[in-house]
Formats: sequence, C-alpha cells, structure tokens
Amino acid sequence: AQSVTQLGSHVSVSEGALVLLRCNYSSSVPPYLFWYVQYPNQGLQLLLKYTSAATLVKGINGFEAEFKKSETSFHLTKPSAHMSDAAEYFCAVSEKNDMRFGAGTRLTVKP
Amino acid sequence: NAGVTQTPKFRILKIGQSMTLQCTQDMNHNYMYWYRQDPGMGLKLIYYSVGAGITDKGEVPNGYNVSRSTTEDFPLRLELAAPSQTSVYFCASSYATGGTGELFFGEGSRLTVL
Repeated sequence: AQSVTQLGSHVSVSEGALVLLRCNYSSSVPPYLFWYVQYPNQGLQLLLKYTSAATLVKGINGFEAEFKKSETSFHLTKPSAHMSDAAEYFCAVSEKNDMRFGAGTRLTVKP
Repeated sequence: NAGVTQTPKFRILKIGQSMTLQCTQDMNHNYMYWYRQDPGMGLKLIYYSVGAGITDKGEVPNGYNVSRSTTEDFPLRLELAAPSQTSVYFCASSYATGGTGELFFGEGSRLTVL
C-alpha cells in the first residue's frame, strides 16, 4: 500500500526565511501527491496537488512543491515565511480510491 | 455554501456506550471518507465509500461501522466505545475518481471516551 513519511514533526523558521517541509512517498505505481494545511480547530485545506502534469506544482499562499521520482520526494517550499503560515502541514498520497496521510509537520514562524 | 457538515462537534462517552457521528455533504460528491486524527499520528483512514451502497475498510476499521444509503450522508457508528477511540474524527468528500480529487473536510468531531 502507498504511504508517505514526513521528516521532522516540528519546524521553526523566522519570518521572511525559507520554509522547507520534507515528504517522501512509497508507491508501487505513479502516485497522486498532495499537501494539505490545518489551522487550529479546523479541518484540512488543500495547498497543492501533483497529478503527473508537471513536476513543479504551485499552490496557494505562495507555496510550491517539486516531484522528484528518483528521490521519491515531494518537498514543500515557500521562499519567505509569514506569521500567518504557522499551522500543521500534511503530505498525502493516493493511488486508487483512498488517500493516506503523513504524521504532519507543525510549522512555527518566529517574528 | 455548507460543504461538509459534521455533528456533533464535541461528545463525551462512557466506556461501552454507542453513538453515531453524522456527516452530510451538499456537493454531490460520490466519494466520502472518515478519518481519525491523533496527536503525532496524522490522519488514519477508517472507512470510505465510492458511492451510495458501497463502502470499504481503510487502515483502522475495527470498532467502527458505516453505511451509505444516500449520496449526501455517510454516518460513522461506534459500538461499545473504548478509551482508544478518544480522538478527533474528520469526514471528507471528493468529486474525482482514482484518488485524483481534492478532499473537502468537515470541521471535525472531538470524541472523548471515559
């Protein structure tokens, strides 16, 4: 079965610094990959998704992710962090009709 | 726009009690899902449905049951509640086949079993 591993349960950056959240996937077939964000006491919202159209995927709020098949990775980046980016981020993989999530990475942004 | 609506938002159960978490969506999505979220564990898939009358087990189905009699509704039943079922439960729906579609989530139901 497909799965994802998120490296680092907590990441802390200063406002204006680069954000890098790591995700590696395991899948027997070309996967569909997603990043979701969860703000406190809310459900998850889609940031971006990869469905094989392009390896560099741009999402909302200035986030982007690059699919690297050779590294089985789908890391999330943002050039300059804002205070409003503080949240929990989940990588997810889907092969058929279900979607499996990573354990999540909590992003803290320091002023 | 209502989207995905879950009730109740909070509930405390005693060990051995039963209850149903309600989920309804107004987007005419065929695909619906139940996840549980535990700290540091991400979201675990409990059950999913690809259409009315069709359900299937996810990663952690034990202790739960579902039904899908209509496109709109996908209730999750907890029988004989146990402390291990203390969690936040999320219902989600999707429009696309083959797992390519975005999941739309409800706001969650926080369940405590004492």
